[in-house]
Amino acid sequence: DIQMTQSPSSLSASVGDRVTITCRASQDIRIDLGWYQHKPGEGPKRLIYAASHLQSGVPSRFSGSGSGTDFTLTISSLQPEDFATYFCLQQNSDPPTFGGGTKVEIK
Amino acid sequence: QEQLVQSGAAVKKPGASVKVSCKASGYDFTDYYIHWVRQAPGQGLEWMGKINPSSGSSTYAQRFQGRVTLTRERSTTTVYMELGSLTSGDTAVYYCARDLWGFWGQGTLVIVSS
Repeated sequence: DIQMTQSPSSLSASVGDRVTITCRASQDIRIDLGWYQHKPGEGPKRLIYAASHLQSGVPSRFSGSGSGTDFTLTISSLQPEDFATYFCLQQNSDPPTFGGGTKVEIK
Repeated sequence: QEQLVQSGAAVKKPGASVKVSCKASGYDFTDYYIHWVRQAPGQGLEWMGKINPSSGSSTYAQRFQGRVTLTRERSTTTVYMELGSLTSGDTAVYYCARDLWGFWGQGTLVIVSS
């Protein structure tokens, strides 16, 4: 199985801060990676697909980059509604596997 | 609009089985696989398996083989996940998600407790 290593596991940030989250795959997954936002009591919401494509309806402050084994999610200016858990998901090969998640908390 | 709506929370005793439903709407039910994923308290997300709603064929994660069964009902555009021989370690939120992972159900909490 492909291992997805996500960092950091948590971070504290203020409104307006730039936030960066990374995922590293244990083998080449090309661009077969998505980023998700997950809030308690809800299903995860996709932000980015194919590593860098912004999901329709998602604010442009979210961006993704990377290919192969190293990927990054960036929130350019953190907003109050962005405090949540974020995770990556690789769908290059079965079984699909997930990063461990990053909890973004208010500083 | 496209959505997946799951059944409500369940409390089960150890050794029992649980069956969670996931009703699809807003798209052609037979066009996309449905995946099942779970998240235990304080743990990460774990893929359990997927089903082809068109054929009914399923693929399961190795660790759940023999304990999980995915089925579908085309007439009601609903997929079911049944997990048997429950232990406290199966206490988790269970999610269905449409293939290509564009959207997910809202989650179903399953508590296993004596």
